[in-house]
Amino acid sequence: EVQLVQSGAEVKKPGESLKISCKGSGYSFTSNWIGWVRQMPGKGLEWMGIIYPADSDTRYSPSFQGQVTISADKSISTAYLQWSSLRASDTAMYYCARHVRVDDSSGYSTRYFDYWGQGTLATVSS
Amino acid sequence: QSVLTQPPSASGTPGQTVIISCSGSSSNIGGNSVSWYQQLPGTAPKLLFYGNHQRPSGVPDRFSGSKSGTSASLAISGLHSEDEADYYCASWDDSLNGWVFGGGTKLTVL
Repeated sequence: EVQLVQSGAEVKKPGESLKISCKGSGYSFTSNWIGWVRQMPGKGLEWMGIIYPADSDTRYSPSFQGQVTISADKSISTAYLQWSSLRASDTAMYYCARHVRVDDSSGYSTRYFDYWGQGTLATVSS
Repeated sequence: QSVLTQPPSASGTPGQTVIISCSGSSSNIGGNSVSWYQQLPGTAPKLLFYGNHQRPSGVPDRFSGSKSGTSASLAISGLHSEDEADYYCASWDDSLNGWVFGGGTKLTVL
């Protein structure tokens, strides 16, 4: 059974650092990209970035480039999302999700997120 | 402001059919497949459709998805109270070289 299990809720102060994790199991962790999605309180889903654990190739949304760092350790099937200096506006639920891409014979790609982690709530408050 | 446009809310009574729209552009929906996600209150999003209209196993056939040009839609027929959730469309965007989501539609079953 495919599972993505995220680390637990965090409460931090502004200016502190934070690293949350997403551990995959039930499949070959290096075969799929892993995406990170933010959901601020009462708001919608926002794509933050995506990483290919096999070689750590990473793409960021322009909205999050330079604000967060996405990494992965394939030896322990775990992806990470980290901040070096948190702000109150980083308070949100963060989800990881397994990314699937299937290309057909014409080169058309079908992409989607098929399995999601349970979410990690990060609260930043003084 | 989300790149993909969805109505913020929709509603229906049990048994009715509800349709949720998702509008994009040539760089996302127009040239790429659409996926839909259901988020029940207090839970993580769950894949509802991929490849515009493909249902993962376990998703009831009361749910259907379609795409035409730069728009997509999700239809739920025979509405059940447990369908009350937030629904999000998403697509790859070739200009952004990344994912874009709709703002989400909150479905209320009256």
